[in-house]
Parts: sequence; structure tokens; C-alpha cells
Amino acid sequence: GENVEQHPSTLSVQEGDSAVIKCTYSDSASNYFPWYKQELGKRPQLIIDIRSNVGEKKDQRIAVTLNKTAKHFSLHITETQPEDSAVYFCAASTGYGKLTFGQGTILTVHP
Amino acid sequence: NAGVTQTPKFRILKIGQSMTLQCAQDMNHNYMYWYRQDPGMGLKLIYYSVGAGITDKGEVPNGYNVSRSTTEDFPLRLELAAPSQTSVYFCASRVPGGSTDTQYFGPGTRLTVL
Repeated sequence: GENVEQHPSTLSVQEGDSAVIKCTYSDSASNYFPWYKQELGKRPQLIIDIRSNVGEKKDQRIAVTLNKTAKHFSLHITETQPEDSAVYFCAASTGYGKLTFGQGTILTVHP
Repeated sequence: NAGVTQTPKFRILKIGQSMTLQCAQDMNHNYMYWYRQDPGMGLKLIYYSVGAGITDKGEVPNGYNVSRSTTEDFPLRLELAAPSQTSVYFCASRVPGGSTDTQYFGPGTRLTVL
């Protein structure tokens, strides 16, 4: 089955800096890669996603890049703000939309 | 639309007890999923369904059962609860073949087995 590795497990940045979280996947059949933000005690919230036929996607301060050949994808957050502090999860989807999640990255943005 | 709803929000079970976690969606989504999230970890797929009457196992199905008699409801049954099933359970739904593959998550059920 699919395996998704996520790094780093924790990330601490100063407000205004950029943050980058990286994930690798194992199944070349995976074709959809969402990123979720989860605040303490809350459900995962989709923040951005990318399909396998696209190399990059941007939404305001958030961008995702995908390298299908290397089987890795990354989340980029620019101009970080304290409210960006949360746990971020990457995931990869194969058949029937089944998601395999990474282990998560705890992002802390210091004011 | 209420989206995806889950009941109960919290539950404490004793070892060996059984219970059903309820999940319902009012978006007419065919695909529904059950995930569990252990502390400090990512979500893992337990079971999924592609439509009424059709279910299949995910990554961690042992100790659980599901049924899908209607499009709206997708209950998860725990038989003989064990401490290893202490977790937060999330239900999700999705529309296949649309412009997005977004899965909509419910608020979760926090289960403790003692």
C-alpha cells in the first residue's frame, strides 16, 4: 500500500518568515495530494490540494509543489502569522479517494 | 446543509464493551470514510464505502465493522473494545468525479477505552 513520509516533525519560525514542509510518497499511482491544517481538538481542514497533472498551485500565502518523478510534494507558507500555528498533514490519494496521511508537522510561529 | 455530523462527541467504554459511532451526511455524497487518529499521529483509514451496500477495508480494519444501508449514514461498530482503540474517530465524505476530490470531515468522536 501507499506510504507517506513527512518532514520535519516540528518547525519553529518567526512571524513573517517562510515555512516549508516536505512529503514523499511511495505509490506512483497516487494522483491527488491534499494538505490539511488541524488545530487542537478540531477536525482537519483542507488548505490546499494538487492533482498529479499539475506541478504547482498557489493560493495567496500558501503554495504546493509536486515532483512526480521524485515522488515528493511540498507545502510552502510565506509571511507566516501566529494564526498559522497548527499541525499540518500531507496526504496522498489512490483509488476511491482513500487518503494515506503523513505523520504531521507541528508548526509554531513566534510573534 | 449540516455537512458531516458525528455522534457522540465523547465516549468512555470499558474493555469488552461494544458501541456504534454514528456518521451522517446531507450532501448526497456517495463516498464515505472512517479514519482514526491516535495522539500525535496522522489519520489512518479504517473502512470506506463507495455507495449504499458497498463497503471495503482500509489500512486498519481489525476490531471494527461498518454498514451502509443508505447514502446518508455510515455507522462504525466496535465489538469487544480494547485499550488500543482509544483514539479520535473522524468520518468523511466526498463526491467522486467532480472538479475537486475534497473530503469533508465530521467533527470527530473522542473514544477512551479503559
